[in-house]
Amino acid sequence: RKEVEQDPGPFNVPEGATVAFNCTYSNSASQSFFWYRQDCRKEPKLLMSVYSSGNEDGRFTAQLNRASQYISLLIRDSKLSDSATYLCVVNSNNFNKFYFGSGTKLNVKP
Amino acid sequence: DAGITQSPRHKVTETGTPVTLRCHQTENHRYMYWYRQDPGHGLRLIHYSYGVKDTDKGEVSDGYSVSRSKTEDFLLTLESATSSQTSVYFCAISEGTFRVSYEQYFGPGTRLTVT
Repeated sequence: RKEVEQDPGPFNVPEGATVAFNCTYSNSASQSFFWYRQDCRKEPKLLMSVYSSGNEDGRFTAQLNRASQYISLLIRDSKLSDSATYLCVVNSNNFNKFYFGSGTKLNVKP
Repeated sequence: DAGITQSPRHKVTETGTPVTLRCHQTENHRYMYWYRQDPGHGLRLIHYSYGVKDTDKGEVSDGYSVSRSKTEDFLLTLESATSSQTSVYFCAISEGTFRVSYEQYFGPGTRLTVT
């Protein structure tokens, strides 16, 4: 079983739509959670950290559900520029060793 | 953007030859990582370092070795390159401590092709 699993998509949505991604993780001891964005042929870039109480950054909202071991990312009012692959990242028992999901591809259409 | 560079950015090499990739940071972060990214697998950890001369294996370490003789440099060596090591290699850094994790920042990547 993979440490982190994501729906690969693609999610094809129109501009202005709201879209949500989920990511499940297997290690109940994980403490740190992140969402990264990766554009085609580029390096991953941090989108946001995910805190226990949930957090919001503009149009982006991240949630953590420890009981069910998943994290989510909600994007409101999608823009064409949001088209990318979104990577879920979770740390292992070793605080600074991380596992990445395979990514969820988002295509925002005009 | 975090100060991370990778060299070379692109390399084509033949099976059986040794290859060394370099990651250089100017952030003075403790942790440095090497990942490979392949279609369908996402990013997989090869090796990481938690200090000068302190390294540990990741999930796909076979066929790779690393060295860190200075805080700012982390080298990845393929002792004898194979076609299965054709991939995109990313270096990352993090300012985490042994008991606290922080986000990682990535270099621009190295595209390696082994023919």
